[in-house]
Amino acid sequence: GAGVSQSPRYKVAKRGQDVALRCDPISGHVSLFWYQQALGQGPEFLTYFQNEAQLDKSGLPSDRFFAERPEGSVSTLKIQRTQQEDSAVYLCASSFDGTGGYTEAFFGQGTRLTVV
Amino acid sequence: RKEVEQDPGPFNVPEGATVAFNCTYSNSASQSFFWYRQDCRKEPKLLMSVYSSGNEDGRFTAQLNRASQYISLLIRDSKLSDSATYLCVVNQAGTALIFGKGTTLSVSS
Repeated sequence: GAGVSQSPRYKVAKRGQDVALRCDPISGHVSLFWYQQALGQGPEFLTYFQNEAQLDKSGLPSDRFFAERPEGSVSTLKIQRTQQEDSAVYLCASSFDGTGGYTEAFFGQGTRLTVV
Repeated sequence: RKEVEQDPGPFNVPEGATVAFNCTYSNSASQSFFWYRQDCRKEPKLLMSVYSSGNEDGRFTAQLNRASQYISLLIRDSKLSDSATYLCVVNQAGTALIFGKGTTLSVSS
């Protein structure tokens, strides 16, 4: 499809399990963002890529969170040793503009992670 | 202090009402400003960009006051379909979009 695609749409993980969330951005989009959205809150910034370079990871809540975009297209957000507080919707967005925001950012439908 | 702050809401208005949302941002280096709309259990989608001169798109008017670091969104003649959460978004060049918590609007008949 032409939009941002995220998989899986839903993930239930047992506490302590590792998970990997995938994002396929719109083809040709330079910037890619990951956000975490808890119920009733706005999206909270996690990390930002420009092509394959991770320019900002200041929003990652702990060293259990790791993101990569090795070829400048598909990105993976990995969470190790999941905790209950990691339960949230993880949103990926991409935009064409290399400076990260002057053009519209398109979001995927998100991955809803539930840690039990 | 959170970088982007919005009216707490929720706003409950009848059809046809005019409603205004406000937003303030703390980083004076912010350069781009947007309003996004998010429907329940859906992803955010761009509603409109916000320019210094103010801009209008049909029933929606957005304004920016850089001196006060303040952004507003006005919705005239509210429709049932306007019910959603409205997110104020700012960024600087080379950085990520920073979202406010969102303001929920509920329009009733």
